[in-house]
Amino acid sequence: DTGVSQNPRHKITKRGQNVTFRCDPISEHNRLYWYRQTLGQGPEFLTYFQNEAQLEKSRLLSDRFSAERPKGSFSTLEIQRTEQGDSAMYLCASSLGQGAQPSSYNEQFFGPGTRLTVL
Amino acid sequence: GQNIDQPTEMTATEGAIVQINCTYQTSGFNGLFWYQQHAGEAPTFLSYNVLDGLEEKGRFSSFLSRSKGYSYLLLKELQMKDSASYLCAVTSGGFKTIFGAGTRLFVKA
Repeated sequence: DTGVSQNPRHKITKRGQNVTFRCDPISEHNRLYWYRQTLGQGPEFLTYFQNEAQLEKSRLLSDRFSAERPKGSFSTLEIQRTEQGDSAMYLCASSLGQGAQPSSYNEQFFGPGTRLTVL
Repeated sequence: GQNIDQPTEMTATEGAIVQINCTYQTSGFNGLFWYQQHAGEAPTFLSYNVLDGLEEKGRFSSFLSRSKGYSYLLLKELQMKDSASYLCAVTSGGFKTIFGAGTRLFVKA
């Protein structure tokens, strides 16, 4: 399977614990995005990488959230001191991103997501 | 501020045509995407518009008017499998993508 993969698919944790999610994008894609989605809502932008550089981070994201893409391939999203409000589906997407301007090559391919439940 | 508005729910009959509207107000505009999302699954790409006008792709078409901040997705010959949420998304200020809350479409026999 050459699509976007995410691990784990489900995570249940207690409030206050740290969690880390992994995303493996489509191999030739240089752009990688993290989103959070709650029931009945669209994906909420969290952060975006081009290769290993984190180019943008949502102002809604507190300092408890951090993301890395150390070698420009896979990415991790860490949430420290989890809160019940962090319970959501965390989606990763990647795109090919040819050229300086968005185009249809910026079609984002989404992974299956990691469902986080904070008790 | 940045805002994308779509109707929350729509119902249509199998074989019919349905139009899902989207209006947006964003700090920049670099393109508009439509995605389909079935319950419990990840979004999948349907269409992309960057210039004004209609883009057709089989049973799906998408229209954009940048001056009005308006787009619509047109689905023809509806099938039961088209029951899903349809997400309007705008890429602004680089490649940051803002999604609307989605329109849940119910297709009935």
